[in-house]
Amino acid sequence: DAKTTQPPSMDCAEGRAANLPCNHSTISGNEYVYWYRQIHSQGPQYIIHGLKNNETNEMASLIITEDRKSSTLILPHATLRDTAVYYCIVRGSQGNLIFGKGTKLSVKP
Amino acid sequence: EAGVTQFPSHSVIEKGQTVTLRCDPISGHDNLYWYRRVMGKEIKFLLHFVKESKQDESGMPNNRFLAERTGGTYSTLKVQPAELEDSGVYFCASSQRGGLTDTQYFGPGTRLTVL
Repeated sequence: DAKTTQPPSMDCAEGRAANLPCNHSTISGNEYVYWYRQIHSQGPQYIIHGLKNNETNEMASLIITEDRKSSTLILPHATLRDTAVYYCIVRGSQGNLIFGKGTKLSVKP
Repeated sequence: EAGVTQFPSHSVIEKGQTVTLRCDPISGHDNLYWYRRVMGKEIKFLLHFVKESKQDESGMPNNRFLAERTGGTYSTLKVQPAELEDSGVYFCASSQRGGLTDTQYFGPGTRLTVL
């Protein structure tokens, strides 16, 4: 399954959009991109997933490049409660999720 | 609808003792997963049940760990005997159908401390 690369940390001002990048250059045609986040010591929380089209739900938007080698998670109006570690996961044939180190997003007032 | 629940939330035991963790998945979810994060490491997959059957147990670290899901409802993860390196947070997740687009929902985790 494809590996992902994410920046270790990012800052965002409260009320502004948070754009979290993820590189997955070895992704295969049938692999999905999933995003989860972990707030403090809680369990991972599902955010969104996509294959090749851009996706939007009540939490976030997912933009996947045309070649599918990278994607961006967008939190349109970040709040302090969005401070968390965000994980970009490429999910292939296996049922389980493979977590990397993620990006620690700090939303500042 | 209730989410995934785990019990206990914290457990502190001494090396050599036995501990049993419990996970109640979302009602109607056939798939149940166990993961854990040990100190300083990433979240790692342990095993996957489909109903009462073990679909994939490739992540189980050794034979001190035993997972069961009798009747296909709740699951238990027993560590016997516990070692210091077993300390960490154990997460359970469940999903409805399995497969690439089936979302896994996680519980709050059980924090295990082995002294």
